[in-house]
Amino acid sequence: RKEVEQDPGPFNVPEGATVAFNCTYSNSASQSFFWYRQDCRKEPKLLMSVYSSGNEDGRFTAQLNRASQYISLLIRDSKLSDSATYLCVVNRGYSTLTFGKGTMLLVSP
Amino acid sequence: DARVTQTPRDKVTEMGQEVTMRCQPILGHNTVFWYRQTMMQGLELLAYFRNRAPLDDSGMPKDRFSAEMPDATLATLKIQPSEPRDSAVYFCASGTGTVTDTQYFGPGTRLTVL
Repeated sequence: RKEVEQDPGPFNVPEGATVAFNCTYSNSASQSFFWYRQDCRKEPKLLMSVYSSGNEDGRFTAQLNRASQYISLLIRDSKLSDSATYLCVVNRGYSTLTFGKGTMLLVSP
Repeated sequence: DARVTQTPRDKVTEMGQEVTMRCQPILGHNTVFWYRQTMMQGLELLAYFRNRAPLDDSGMPKDRFSAEMPDATLATLKIQPSEPRDSAVYFCASGTGTVTDTQYFGPGTRLTVL
C-alpha cells in the first residue's frame, strides 16, 4: 500500500461548484498533515495544514480522521483560479514529508 | 519576501555528463530537502539536511547522485554521470525542522538528459 494515496482526477467542475478531494495514508504514526497546491510547471506551495478538529480558511475546509487515516479537502464556490493539482502531504517524523501524487482540479467557466 | 532560489532553472545535457544543481535556502531555515518530481512517481524525497548535516539520503541513487551543503546558504545536488532516466524536475525546499513544519519550495530545476 502506498504511504499516501489520492485519486489523480482530473475533477472537472464548473465555476461556483463545490468539490471534495480525499486522501488516505498508511502510517498510523504520522504526526501532521497538510494540503499543498501545485500550479502547472510551478513549485508546490502550502495551502493549509489539517487539524483533527477540522479547519477552515475562506472557501477551503480540511478535515482529518485519524481512526480511518483519511484526510479531506473541500472547496466551495470554485473559481477558475482554483485550477491546479492538490497534493495531500503527511509528516512521517523528523520533518520529512511524504507527498501524494496529487489530484488535478479543472474549473471551467 | 524570503524565498528559496535554485539554479539553473532549466538544464539540457547529454547522457554521461555531470550535472550540478544549486539551492539557496531561506535565511534562518535549518533543514534543506531535495526532491525529484516525475509524472510517474510524483514527488520523491532524495535527501535532506539539518544544520548542514546529511540526515537521510536513502532516496538517492548512491552510485551517481551526491548531495552536499558546503555552507548554510548553499546546497548542491550533483549527478555524475547523468542518464536519460534522471530527466525530471528537481526541487529544493527549506524549513525550520519542527513536526508541523511548512516546507518552502524553490522554483525547481527542469533537467533533460538526452
